[in-house]
Amino acid sequence: DIQMTQSPASLSASVGDRVTITCRASQSISAYLGWYQQKPGKAPNILIYAASTLQSGVPSRFSGSGSGTDFNLTISGLQPEDFATYYCLQSYSARLVFGGGTKVEIK
Amino acid sequence: EVQLVQSGAEVKKPGESLKISCEASGYTFITYWIVWVRQVPGKGLEWMGIIYPGDSDTRYSPSFQGQVTISADKSTSTAYLQWTSLKASDSGIYYCARREQELVQDYYHYYLDVWGKGTSVTVSS
Repeated sequence: DIQMTQSPASLSASVGDRVTITCRASQSISAYLGWYQQKPGKAPNILIYAASTLQSGVPSRFSGSGSGTDFNLTISGLQPEDFATYYCLQSYSARLVFGGGTKVEIK
Repeated sequence: EVQLVQSGAEVKKPGESLKISCEASGYTFITYWIVWVRQVPGKGLEWMGIIYPGDSDTRYSPSFQGQVTISADKSTSTAYLQWTSLKASDSGIYYCARREQELVQDYYHYYLDVWGKGTSVTVSS
């Protein structure tokens, strides 16, 4: 099965910072990767799919890149509402696999 | 408005059975796959399985195969997740989500675009 390794597990950042989260697949998944944001007590919310396509309604400060095994989610200009946990999800195989999550906290 | 409405919180004892639901509205239920995801409090998201309500084609994560049953009722546009004998380790929040597909550069890509609010399941003696 494909394994997804997300890093870092947590990070502290300030409002206005540029933040990058990484997800690495155990084998090539082409661009079959999505990024989700989850706030405490809420269901996850899709940000990006197909590695770099921004979901409608998601602010443009979110961007995704990568293909094959290495992927990044970048938040350019962190806003107060962006403090949350972020997950990657591979959809290359029928057995979906989430990354372990990255908690973005206020410094 | 596309919605997935999940059933309410459950408190059960080990060994009991349980069936939780996810009712879809605002779209054609039988044409989208529904995914179930578990989250143990304070932990990450785990994909459990997926069902296509149109023909009940179902796939399970190896971690959950044989432990749960996913089903769907086309007549009520509802997907279900059930256990026959709960364990304390089944405690968690269970989300259903709709799998959307988009054509991107000649290939279909899939993502979970609509989520239910989650059902909390607590199993304790």
